[in-house]
Amino acid sequence: DGGITQSPKYLFRKEGQNVTLSCEQNLNHDAMYWYRQDPGQGLRLIYYSQIVNDFQKGDIAEGYSVSREKKESFPLTVTSAQKNPTAFYLCASNPGRNIADGYTFGSGTRLTVV
Amino acid sequence: AQKVTQAQTEISVVEKEDVTLDCVYETRDTTYYLFWYKQPPSGELVFLIRRNSFDEQNEISGRYSWNFQKSTSSFNFTITASQVVDSAVYFCALSVNNAGNMLTFGGGTRLMVKP
Repeated sequence: DGGITQSPKYLFRKEGQNVTLSCEQNLNHDAMYWYRQDPGQGLRLIYYSQIVNDFQKGDIAEGYSVSREKKESFPLTVTSAQKNPTAFYLCASNPGRNIADGYTFGSGTRLTVV
Repeated sequence: AQKVTQAQTEISVVEKEDVTLDCVYETRDTTYYLFWYKQPPSGELVFLIRRNSFDEQNEISGRYSWNFQKSTSSFNFTITASQVVDSAVYFCALSVNNAGNMLTFGGGTRLMVKP
């Protein structure tokens, strides 16, 4: 079945560490997105990529980095510069060709700083 | 710029009550799509419905119905005879041509259905 796989489901990070969240899709979608969701809050866009080897900052990119070396993969690194990284992280994708397409979402990664 | 507002941050109802979740949007584009997503406690957002700007027909799917009114820029979602399994966060979203197919999300409405 086609879909988006995010791993790990739960991640614990010590202060000062960088961690990388994985997002893989087998939908052949061109565009991929990373969102952050804090408890009781909506979705905030961190980074997005509409094509391989290209990505753009979203509304809250500071303290995060991404790469898009392959169409299927869009990993997110939470760096030590991100002062409050504890949150739920959602990855999404869409074909990128039509505004009717909407997004397909992964099941998320819950990151906790210990 | 686009904007989606879900004024109700949290709604609590008793099972079998009807409930309406409001969504108001802003865009200068004449061609756009509106979406509703459900986020159950597991976290993944699940697609519920899509509606394009030229189709103002209301839609019913089982206990779910959607009312799209361009005159008031609203796309409201009604659950009839709510059930505990409807408890979730619901997001309304907007997609327009000049935004690279990106969705603009509302802040979400947390619906709690009590037995």
